[in-house]
Amino acid sequence: EIQLVESGGGFIQPGGSLRLSCAVSGFTVSNNHVTWVRQAPGKGLEWVSVIYDSGDTNYADSVKDRFTVSRDSSDNTVFLQMDSLRAEDTAAYFCVGFGGNSYWGQGTPVTVSS
Amino acid sequence: QAVVTQEPSLTVSPGGTVTLTCDSRIGSVTSRHHPYWFQQKPGQAPRTLISDTSNRQSWTPARFSGSLLGGKAALTLSGARPEDEAYYYCFLSFSGSWVFGGGTRLTV
Repeated sequence: EIQLVESGGGFIQPGGSLRLSCAVSGFTVSNNHVTWVRQAPGKGLEWVSVIYDSGDTNYADSVKDRFTVSRDSSDNTVFLQMDSLRAEDTAAYFCVGFGGNSYWGQGTPVTVSS
Repeated sequence: QAVVTQEPSLTVSPGGTVTLTCDSRIGSVTSRHHPYWFQQKPGQAPRTLISDTSNRQSWTPARFSGSLLGGKAALTLSGARPEDEAYYYCFLSFSGSWVFGGGTRLTV
């Protein structure tokens, strides 16, 4: 069974940092691409970042130069390092794995507020 | 970044057929955009229905189908059921970056 489990969310003040983790079981992150998606309260889905099987990465303009996606193949985990957080980064963050099928985690909430 | 548009809301009668579309402001949607369709019900995480234009996931009911239609990506629901009432989002690739549509609220 393929599962993606996010963790690391929480309450943080503006300007702070958080590191989200996406622990994957059932498929190999280094052979597939994994993307991060967020959803602000009451809003639609917003693409945040992707790490491809090649290791190439890409980011939405809204997070470029503040967020960094990476992976640890030994742990089969994908990370999202979020720096210089702003109030508008408040959202539920989901990781999505793209293999034969495409699988979503349950999300982890991030609240940026003073 | 590219803007991707969807109908804000649609209504379909139980047993009826409805087509949701996904349009790009900067040109026609093609298979090179690798269209995906996701379904989200209140209080739940989204789930994938369609990948790469028309590939159903192993859990996707056969009443859902994906296609390209008149320069747009399309999701057709044939034989709507009450449990299909949800938000539907399309997702397109633009040279390695990705963009979601604004979502369609489907009422059955």
